[in-house]
Amino acid sequence: GAGVSQSPSNKVTEKGKDVELRCDPISGHTALYWYRQSLGQGLEFLIYFQGNSAPDKSGLPSDRFSAERTGGSVSTLTIQRTQQEDSAVYLCASSTTGVGTEAFFGQGTRLTVV
Amino acid sequence: AQSVTQPDIHITVSEGASLELRCNYSYGATPYLFWYVQSPGQGLQLLLKYFSGDTLVQGIKGFEAEFKRSQSSFNLRKPSVHWSDAAEYFCAVASSSGSARQLTFGSGTQLTVLP
Repeated sequence: GAGVSQSPSNKVTEKGKDVELRCDPISGHTALYWYRQSLGQGLEFLIYFQGNSAPDKSGLPSDRFSAERTGGSVSTLTIQRTQQEDSAVYLCASSTTGVGTEAFFGQGTRLTVV
Repeated sequence: AQSVTQPDIHITVSEGASLELRCNYSYGATPYLFWYVQSPGQGLQLLLKYFSGDTLVQGIKGFEAEFKRSQSSFNLRKPSVHWSDAAEYFCAVASSSGSARQLTFGSGTQLTVLP
């Protein structure tokens, strides 16, 4: 596609439910990132995929968070047993591999846990 | 570990005035540095980036930034601000070595432009 696509754009869920957030990166981009942006906060790194390498999961805040990337393209971020503090905008980005490559961001999924 | 500090949480300038947004980074080698802008309800858009060469880099929308190794800074500037520049601005650093390419962002500076 023309850009990074994220779905849904908004998600309201009840505390304790599981949610799945989807990211469609730009075609041909081998790197994919997930970030979380909480109200009044900067962007918190969650996870990074690069080609077929093992993902860098160092930013995942708890074992309730997981992500996968199928076929080196679409990625799904799953949050299990959601908590109110999980409410945030979840941003996905993708890039090519190489020196100083630009990361292109999607418009994000706004998650509200009630 | 790499880190980025944006000391100004909120800046207000008048339309037509000059602008400088501060960014300080911490990284052991020469970093890759970026400035992104986020308008309300939008994703992030790259304004400019530095990874080698001329330390003064030009970006889109009339923005520029200067890499100063001695000060570990990468401040963003614009000579004359337009009302449409009101947004949140994020400085980011990426490692220049190893396999990790994650971007580490500062906490952002919210820019308000007065008419």
